[in-house]
Amino acid sequence: NAGVTQTPKFQVLKTGQSMTLQCAQDMNHEYMSWYRQDPGMGLRLIHYSVGAGITDQGEVPNGYNVSRSTTEDFPLRLLSAAPSQTSVYFCASSSSFEGTEAFFGQGTRLTVV
Amino acid sequence: GIQVEQSPPDLILQEGANSTLRCNFSDSVNNLQWFHQNPWGQLINLFYIPSGTKQNGRLSATTVATERYSLLYISSSQTTDSGVYFCAVMNRDDKIIFGKGTRLHILP
Repeated sequence: NAGVTQTPKFQVLKTGQSMTLQCAQDMNHEYMSWYRQDPGMGLRLIHYSVGAGITDQGEVPNGYNVSRSTTEDFPLRLLSAAPSQTSVYFCASSSSFEGTEAFFGQGTRLTVV
Repeated sequence: GIQVEQSPPDLILQEGANSTLRCNFSDSVNNLQWFHQNPWGQLINLFYIPSGTKQNGRLSATTVATERYSLLYISSSQTTDSGVYFCAVMNRDDKIIFGKGTRLHILP
């Protein structure tokens, strides 16, 4: 099993560019979520989804869009990158929104210049 | 929203020492997990422990849901235990919220 796969691992963007961070899981998990990790801030929830076709906002959703057209994929879109979005991004999945063990991808380190 | 507080924020120990990390949460939770983030940034599941006690080798965890806290015990620390330990909870709104972590540094 691949588990949770994030691509790319590293990315540099110029201010105003757009991009999509990909997240895929092969465990048939309903719950998927995106986090950003900044120094001293821990991991903060950006958006999450409890199943295909359903998404909701987390703590820091501004500047990010998501969609969930399939169970397996949960891409995160930056429409117009800003330096404040420089961070490490993690995608996670778990088998039920009522709570079981969550699994994380290896992270994407994004720098916006 | 639910608050998750971890203590201490930083901990420096000599190899072989024991340690206790604490996670307090402000509301009822559906689950609780402990993670270790290694120096390469990878998040590793340690325990899924919404209540009760679990042990895995030198690590063990206890969650007392009625009192809204969880403890992670590390015995006989090794340098490979260094990194940041996170507690994460899922609340009734289906959101997983992380604490800010405890940074552990084990000296050889």
